[in-house]
Amino acid sequence: DGGITQSPKYLFRKEGQNVTLSCEQNLNHDAMYWYRQDPGQGLRLIYYSQIVNDFQKGDIAEGYSVSREKKESFPLTVTSAQKNPTAFYLCASGSYRESTQPQHFGDGTRLSIL
Amino acid sequence: QQPVQSPQAVILREGEDAVINCSSSKALYSVHWYRQKHGEAPVFLMILLKGGEQKGHEKISASFNEKKQQSSLYLTASQLSYSGTYFCGTGNSGNTPLVFGKGTRLSVIA
Repeated sequence: DGGITQSPKYLFRKEGQNVTLSCEQNLNHDAMYWYRQDPGQGLRLIYYSQIVNDFQKGDIAEGYSVSREKKESFPLTVTSAQKNPTAFYLCASGSYRESTQPQHFGDGTRLSIL
Repeated sequence: QQPVQSPQAVILREGEDAVINCSSSKALYSVHWYRQKHGEAPVFLMILLKGGEQKGHEKISASFNEKKQQSSLYLTASQLSYSGTYFCGTGNSGNTPLVFGKGTRLSVIA
């Protein structure tokens, strides 16, 4: 069954620590995205990648980093520079002509500060 | 620019109808609609491309008014399963990421 797998489901971060959220897809999609969701804020774009070895900042990239070494994988690192990391993080994928095709979402990772 | 959704929240009784609106200040190429249950992933409902085409499946349909830069989602004869938060995502061209609205929380009660 094709889909997007995010792990872990829950993650706790200590002060000054970097943490990495995993996102893997087997849908053969070119484009992948990371969104942050806070209550009442909708989905805000952190980073996106339309092709391997290339990625672009979204609206709220500060304090985050990504890599896209393989088509299937798009991990997100929440660095210690992100002072308010508590949120629900969603990974999504879609075809290259992203505005005309549906996005498929993973089940999300809930990140909290210890 | 984030699209504006209205209303922010609505409560319906089973069998009632609802309309959710999504307006943009920019010219739209496409509008996506998704529904999210609490703590779960958003689920795709439909896409509308510029051209004013109305789409639908079962009792959920949507329209896209290119001139007014807005889309409306119509839910008829609502069921308990329709409860959730509805998001619109707007695209300004074919190859740019979507921008999502803040969502409309829909609650259907028996």
